[in-house]
Amino acid sequence: DVKVTQSSRYLVKRTGEKVFLECVQDMDHENMFWYRQDPGLGLRLIYFSYDVKMKEKGDIPEGYSVSREKKERFSLILESASTNQTSMYLCASSTGSGKYGYTFGSGTRLTVV
Amino acid sequence: AQSVTQPDIHITVSEGASLELRCNYSYGATPYLFWYVQSPGQGLQLLLKYFSGDTLVQGIKGFEAEFKRSQSSFNLRKPSVHWSDAAEYFCAVAGGTGGFKTIFGAGTRLFVKA
Repeated sequence: DVKVTQSSRYLVKRTGEKVFLECVQDMDHENMFWYRQDPGLGLRLIYFSYDVKMKEKGDIPEGYSVSREKKERFSLILESASTNQTSMYLCASSTGSGKYGYTFGSGTRLTVV
Repeated sequence: AQSVTQPDIHITVSEGASLELRCNYSYGATPYLFWYVQSPGQGLQLLLKYFSGDTLVQGIKGFEAEFKRSQSSFNLRKPSVHWSDAAEYFCAVAGGTGGFKTIFGAGTRLFVKA
């Protein structure tokens, strides 16, 4: 069964910590995405990558960075976590032009205290 | 710019009743259109997609959707809802100048009454 795996379901971090969220896909997809999901705001794109070592800013990149050293892995980094980054983080992958849709991971619920 | 509107924030239907969730999009050409479902605390799962051909598409879990270009709509339907269908549903659009990025609607929460 093909899948996107996010390393943690729940995380609790302290303000100011550096936080790494990991995402791995086993479908050989070129494109990978990080979204955050908040009640009333829907899904908002943070960063995406269409190839190894390539990255593009999404709609809300401030306070985040990403790394894609291998095709199957896309990491989201919170350089200095803040309470307003408490959210559900969703990783997704896709192939080609996007007409086949996304495969999502199960999400990471991050709480920053 | 591409956009997706789901007019209903939440809908309640009785188990066994039919369901229609509305989705309108704004786009300059034929888009790629999708419906996703999200159960509480989970990621999104692709229900169905449209990118060409027959405008009535079948998906998983007994869902279908119809692409109507003249109305810029892609409504999701199910003839008989089961309690396990209670979830949040997202319409999405991709393609064109947006490339492979997908724009999601705000979602519609479905409640199912016994």
